[in-house]
Amino acid sequence: LAKTTQPISMDSYEGQEVNITCSHNNIATNDYITWYQQFPSQGPRFIIQGYKTKVTNEVASLFIPADRKSSTLSLPRVSLSDTAVYYCLVVPEDSSYKLIFGSGTRLLVRP
Amino acid sequence: NAGVMQNPRHLVRRRGQEARLRCSPMKGHSHVYWYRQLPEEGLKFMVYLQKENIIDESGMPKERFSAEFPKEGPSILRIQQVVRGDSAAYFCASSPPTGNYGYTFGSGTRLTVV
Repeated sequence: LAKTTQPISMDSYEGQEVNITCSHNNIATNDYITWYQQFPSQGPRFIIQGYKTKVTNEVASLFIPADRKSSTLSLPRVSLSDTAVYYCLVVPEDSSYKLIFGSGTRLLVRP
Repeated sequence: NAGVMQNPRHLVRRRGQEARLRCSPMKGHSHVYWYRQLPEEGLKFMVYLQKENIIDESGMPKERFSAEFPKEGPSILRIQQVVRGDSAAYFCASSPPTGNYGYTFGSGTRLTVV
């Protein structure tokens, strides 16, 4: 299973763009990349998922280079309510339910 | 749509007692997954169930833990003879029969063993 490495924590200010990079050097051909957000005392919430290049939804963008050994979650114009833990997951296509959550990145958005 | 409902939100048990955690999946979802989160750690997969079937229990401790998802009613995670190390947040997620575009998690049950 591909291991992921991401920053332990990041600080930002309201209105800024935040980019959280995750490395997954031994990602397999059939793995895809998923990001979840978790607030204190709540379950994780799915943000975005991709296989390669760029994916965008109403919440975030996900950039995946051609070698797929890393990915970057981009949050445009963060607000205080974006303060949370963000998890990068590499998910095997054939056992997508076995999500492996690491320690995540604790994002603190300041006024 | 009420989402994935878990109850109770908080559960306190003395060592040796039984804990029963309930999970009602989202409407239309027939697949349920249980995860455990220890303090300051990420979630760890425990078990995957469909109605009346355990599909994958590779993450379940071999003893004292069991899970079911009956034809009617919520999924139940049961922990017998709880110990202090069972204190954690237990999350349930659900998904529809097809597709894997993200899983919907409940708000969890926080189990404290005293």
